[in-house]
Amino acid sequence: GAVVSQHPSRVICKSGTSVKIECRSLDFQATTMFWYRQFPKQSLMLMATSNEGSKATYEQGVEKDKFLINHASLTLSTLTVTSAHPEDSSFYICSARGRPGINRPNYGYTFGSGTRLTVV
Amino acid sequence: DAKTTQPNSMESNEEEPVHLPCNHSTISGTDYIHWYRQLPSQGPEYVIHGLTSNVNNRMASLAIAEDRKSSTLILHRATLRDAAVYYCILLGGSTLGRLYFGRGTQLTVWP
Repeated sequence: GAVVSQHPSRVICKSGTSVKIECRSLDFQATTMFWYRQFPKQSLMLMATSNEGSKATYEQGVEKDKFLINHASLTLSTLTVTSAHPEDSSFYICSARGRPGINRPNYGYTFGSGTRLTVV
Repeated sequence: DAKTTQPNSMESNEEEPVHLPCNHSTISGTDYIHWYRQLPSQGPEYVIHGLTSNVNNRMASLAIAEDRKSSTLILHRATLRDAAVYYCILLGGSTLGRLYFGRGTQLTVWP
């Protein structure tokens, strides 16, 4: 149990275009979803936290108008990188948290497999 | 601010035990100690978590110091598949339920 599907796994886009990344919880309801960014050889940096039906809460220094987050349902959150530039090239990872359960003893934090974004 | 300190890297031979340390001297009473690991080009994977008592699961053991200011993740028999970056993370009221990752420990396992 507790599977999070993230798509696409890789995407290449031209500078100035927008890219949407999807994160789905397949077998549980994700009350909260988190979005991270990871540059090569660095740790994961939390970008924002979103609760279903609410506006996302962004970490300090993250541009909310550039990284649009939608969490319209309990199983789907999307991250849209708007007007992407080469410096936005990174590994983006989502995490979903549901209610703790027998099959999810880790308090429900499950991560997607990540999306490698390359902006050319 | 990750609030935890881990060695940058550690090495082990295959089938030997590995003890990965983590210091968290500013841990609050409501913070749980979580461990995640990340293989190359993948999302993190949950390993184990605990509050005060030592914990065991099929992947590893977690030994928590009596004062809770440090903990040790124990892999009883390292395999090549255990080569990853291991993150020790505090989760609780002080983090508002968010996982903030530090630099972690890169574990290399030699055959």
